Amino acid sequence: DGGITQSPKYLFRKEGQNVTLSCEQNLNHDAMYWYRQDPGQGLRLIYYSQIVNDFQKGDIAEGYSVSREKKESFPLTVTSAQKNPTAFYLCASSARPFDSPLHFGNGTRLTVT
Amino acid sequence: GENVEQHPSTLSVQEGDSAVIKCTYSDSASNYFPWYKQELGKRPQLIIDIRSNVGEKKDQRIAVTLNKTAKHFSLHITETQPEDSAVYFCAASPNDYKLSFGAGTTVTVRA
Repeated sequence: DGGITQSPKYLFRKEGQNVTLSCEQNLNHDAMYWYRQDPGQGLRLIYYSQIVNDFQKGDIAEGYSVSREKKESFPLTVTSAQKNPTAFYLCASSARPFDSPLHFGNGTRLTVT
Repeated sequence: GENVEQHPSTLSVQEGDSAVIKCTYSDSASNYFPWYKQELGKRPQLIIDIRSNVGEKKDQRIAVTLNKTAKHFSLHITETQPEDSAVYFCAASPNDYKLSFGAGTTVTVRA
């Protein structure tokens, strides 16, 4: 599957540890996003970036951090401050922020015990 | 911010019948309305989208209608097939700002 690559597919961590999820795209898109997916709650926006070296909080940013040092990469760190980190995380990109189709990665399922 | 409600949460249809999913939105400034399909264990993929200057859009067996006055939009799937079984998400974006998703509809097509 070309376009957006997320790694790893499954991630297990102990409570209290920070963990970083990788997201790389080769679509030359300016905008990138991180969504969290929980059963029955749709997709909730964590952070987004419209351009390199710039990013904005989404609706549920508490306990997460991101960086955008390169156009192709938008890693997400789940910190120990995130109260309920176990979830399915989806990275996406688009040509224009929010009004053009989102291209999603295959997701990372994070389990924290 | 924008609030999108999606109904029903689950939908079971006989193969060949039609399926309809409805979404309402709260922000009258919303101008972009995409629909995504997520098959089990896979990534969401865009199946159709519509902008506020259009009332209806069709792509083969899939159509979307938009009623700006009532602030609702619907996805219509005709002649359903087993491969249409998936979770469908609607979304709305006001003025190129944050896209808000509905909670999803699980569609099951019975053979």
